[in-house]
Amino acid sequence: GQNIDQPTEMTATEGAIVQINCTYQTSGFNGLFWYQQHAGEAPTFLSYNVLDGLEEKGRFSSFLSRSKGYSYLLLKELQMKDSASYLCAAPLGGYNKLIFGAGTRLAVHP
Amino acid sequence: DTAVSQTPKYLVTQMGNDKSIKCEQNLGHDTMYWYKQDSKKFLKIMFSYNNKELIINETVPNRFSPKSPDKAHLNLHINSLELGDSAVYFCASSHGTESWGYTFGSGTRLTVV
Repeated sequence: GQNIDQPTEMTATEGAIVQINCTYQTSGFNGLFWYQQHAGEAPTFLSYNVLDGLEEKGRFSSFLSRSKGYSYLLLKELQMKDSASYLCAAPLGGYNKLIFGAGTRLAVHP
Repeated sequence: DTAVSQTPKYLVTQMGNDKSIKCEQNLGHDTMYWYKQDSKKFLKIMFSYNNKELIINETVPNRFSPKSPDKAHLNLHINSLELGDSAVYFCASSHGTESWGYTFGSGTRLTVV
């Protein structure tokens, strides 16, 4: 089966650092995605990890531990515009079928 | 230049009606998808087409019927709409069936009254 868990909501202060965790259980592993979705908009791609370790991309970094079935998204120097939902997703099977977690709604306040 | 475009953006209709949502992508991708995002924001896959062939067909009521006239288009037709069909429907596309990462359309908010 396939299961992806992430916290429902988080709050953080502008300028701070926040870590959004994701745990997954998949039959077969083909990498892990993070997407950002602002309210009323489409999800947009943030990162893709297939190997263990940290991938850094500007203010956003994503970490993966395959042995632990665990990933996190790290957002640094938070800005108000980072208030959004962050979706963890894993591909299932050979047909590029992405299974999404319920998303973590992040609220950044001054 | 919109990469994945859906029409309409908003759709309000009465129970029992039949409606269609259209999706087009100009990215040259050969795989397209329909996802449903419910009120709890869960994104769930419904269908996927690769080069006009249906490759993913999740447990979806047969009132929902996708149609892909060519690999750049994937439409969703819904018969006998029910209140529970109210959701945001996202179209997405990707290159190939085993390469990762989607480009999503901006969504169609369907409200059934």
